[in-house]
Amino acid sequence: DTAVSQTPKYLVTQMGNDKSIKCEQNLGHDTMYWYKQDSKKFLKIMFSYNNKELIINETVPNRFSPKSPDKAHLNLHINSLELGDSAVYFCASSQNRDPYEKLFFGSGTQLSVL
Amino acid sequence: GEDVEQSLFLSVREGDSSVINCTYTDSSSTYLYWYKQEPGAGLQLLTYIFSNMDMKQDQRLTVLLNKKDKHLSLRIADTQTGDSAIYFCAESFRDTDKLIFGTGTRLQVFP
Repeated sequence: DTAVSQTPKYLVTQMGNDKSIKCEQNLGHDTMYWYKQDSKKFLKIMFSYNNKELIINETVPNRFSPKSPDKAHLNLHINSLELGDSAVYFCASSQNRDPYEKLFFGSGTQLSVL
Repeated sequence: GEDVEQSLFLSVREGDSSVINCTYTDSSSTYLYWYKQEPGAGLQLLTYIFSNMDMKQDQRLTVLLNKKDKHLSLRIADTQTGDSAIYFCAESFRDTDKLIFGTGTRLQVFP
């Protein structure tokens, strides 16, 4: 079974649309994250949730809204998509919010905004 | 399928060399990468190697790629306490920006 799974793997959509990316982990971890991969392959953290509570909220447009219905799920909803939102988005989880805990990654969602 | 494995833990003395290993199953990758996970800093790309290369050196870092054995390694010369972190290898494939990450290796450097 995949430990951290995110769907869809590929998402192609028109500018202005609203879309969601879903993430689920079956590792029993307390903490989940969303990362955005930039053009230099740097993975920049966007959000982090610990036991459904938002703990990291980096400078991200408020068009991006994470939702954690339970600690095994962290979904990312994006309103009014813009061309610059095109990127690969990675979900990850860790046992707890200790900054030295290892991250477990999903396989990424490649978002293309046309 | 895509599967990338690493040893879980490595402990070295300051000043020694560290070698972190990675094995992968899908040989169609185009690039292979090494990332460093530091607290609060996201994942930093350390170096990468094109899949038709055998070796790449960048200051204290040396990447070796053995395509036949599907084995990638990262050597850190003169390891410092600031090198203590978790290191991930990753691979990417033609026509996509997506990365497949390894399981991560925790490097601990002691004085």
